[in-house]
Amino acid sequence: TQLLEQSPQFLSIQEGENLTVYCNSSSVFSSLQWYRQEPGEGPVLLVTVVTGGEVKKLKRLTFQFGDARKDSSLHITAAQPGDTGLYLCAGASTGRRALTFGSGTRLQVQP
Amino acid sequence: GAGVSQSPSNKVTEKGKDVELRCDPISGHTALYWYRQSLGQGLEFLIYFQGNSAPDKSGLPSDRFSAERTGGSVSTLTIQRTQQEDSAVYLCASSLSGRSTDTQYFGPGTRLTVL
Repeated sequence: TQLLEQSPQFLSIQEGENLTVYCNSSSVFSSLQWYRQEPGEGPVLLVTVVTGGEVKKLKRLTFQFGDARKDSSLHITAAQPGDTGLYLCAGASTGRRALTFGSGTRLQVQP
Repeated sequence: GAGVSQSPSNKVTEKGKDVELRCDPISGHTALYWYRQSLGQGLEFLIYFQGNSAPDKSGLPSDRFSAERTGGSVSTLTIQRTQQEDSAVYLCASSLSGRSTDTQYFGPGTRLTVL
């Protein structure tokens, strides 16, 4: 069974602080996606990383895929209250259509 | 265009009753997924439909759960003889072709509460 572990589970920070969320597995994934989910809504895709060692930037968000494609990180610079939400990583595997989701990191950014 | 829609948004039922949850995917999307999300947790895969192929039912937790997709569009997830542990948010997603790198577009979910 493939598992994705996210850490931390909860994070409460002040506006302007930096943070990093981690997504780790013992399994190799062909690609990894990061989603953000707000209360009462479905997850919304932020980014897909495919190549080991890949780094993608989306404004203040930086995503990295590990060299071995087993782990990923999400770094947010100068967090804003609008960044508040549940962040989910999800891994895709060759031959399996469904994504394997991590348990999520709940982020709260206080103004 | 419209996104993925789900109905009802909330469903409260009594233990032992059957429930049906509906998903309307984005028009033209050939792949449709059902997931279950317990309070504040990650998503658990339930079932996947792709075009006219046989569905991947490997995530269904028991034989009380079933799903169908009519005409390659609308899907219904049915839970028979509901149990309290079935309480969760049921999310539907669709993607253009079902490739693992495709973007999955999620609906807002149906919150099911079994009393």
